[in-house]
Amino acid sequence: AAGVIQSPRHLIKEKRETATLKCYPIPRHDTVYWYQQGPGQDPQFLISFYEKMQSDKGSIPDRFSAQQFSDYHSELNMSSLELGDSALYFCASSEAKPSYNEQFFGPGTRLTVL
Amino acid sequence: AQSVTQLDSQVPVFEEAPVELRCNYSSSVSVYLFWYVQYPNQGLQLLLKYLSGSTLVKGINGFEAEFNKSQTSFHLRKPSVHISDTAEYFCAVSDQEYGNKLVFGAGTILRVKS
Repeated sequence: AAGVIQSPRHLIKEKRETATLKCYPIPRHDTVYWYQQGPGQDPQFLISFYEKMQSDKGSIPDRFSAQQFSDYHSELNMSSLELGDSALYFCASSEAKPSYNEQFFGPGTRLTVL
Repeated sequence: AQSVTQLDSQVPVFEEAPVELRCNYSSSVSVYLFWYVQYPNQGLQLLLKYLSGSTLVKGINGFEAEFNKSQTSFHLRKPSVHISDTAEYFCAVSDQEYGNKLVFGAGTILRVKS
């Protein structure tokens, strides 16, 4: 079965550079979530999209922005990178239905800021 | 806001012994509860979930969990662990009122010794 695809899997950037992370949800999934997992920490919710509109926002810095495109893939744009942005970034997708739907996680993008 | 407390940061156990990983959550009208497993340098894999119905939930790899509303707990159990169960386990809660985002606990590292 198709899974959530994230690219790139690994990314190394310098401080103050920008980075773009991509997420391709499972086919027919219309909701995308982004989470950030710092070293030795639990995943923290950043932002989510449903039908190309932002549906919820968590602890996402103003330096970060995200969007969901017409094909439902999503991109997380990160500017003015800081050392503290080094983390594993997960994307998850689900179908939006009246009852809760399981979130399927991608393998993550490991961002290292030097 | 939802919150999750995982009472043990690390649990060492011998192979073939039983194990229980504890999880408590903040109360809400209706919650959805999950356990995820994360192997080193990998993504999050869903072990099991509680949405409604029977309070005893069975998941993959022989794990099960029991939802206890009065104690606001969702402890994870396995009657006999294997070396391959060594990983970090995250308890998570979601609520439609909060947009279905997952709120994770701090994680419990299960170390299975031979």
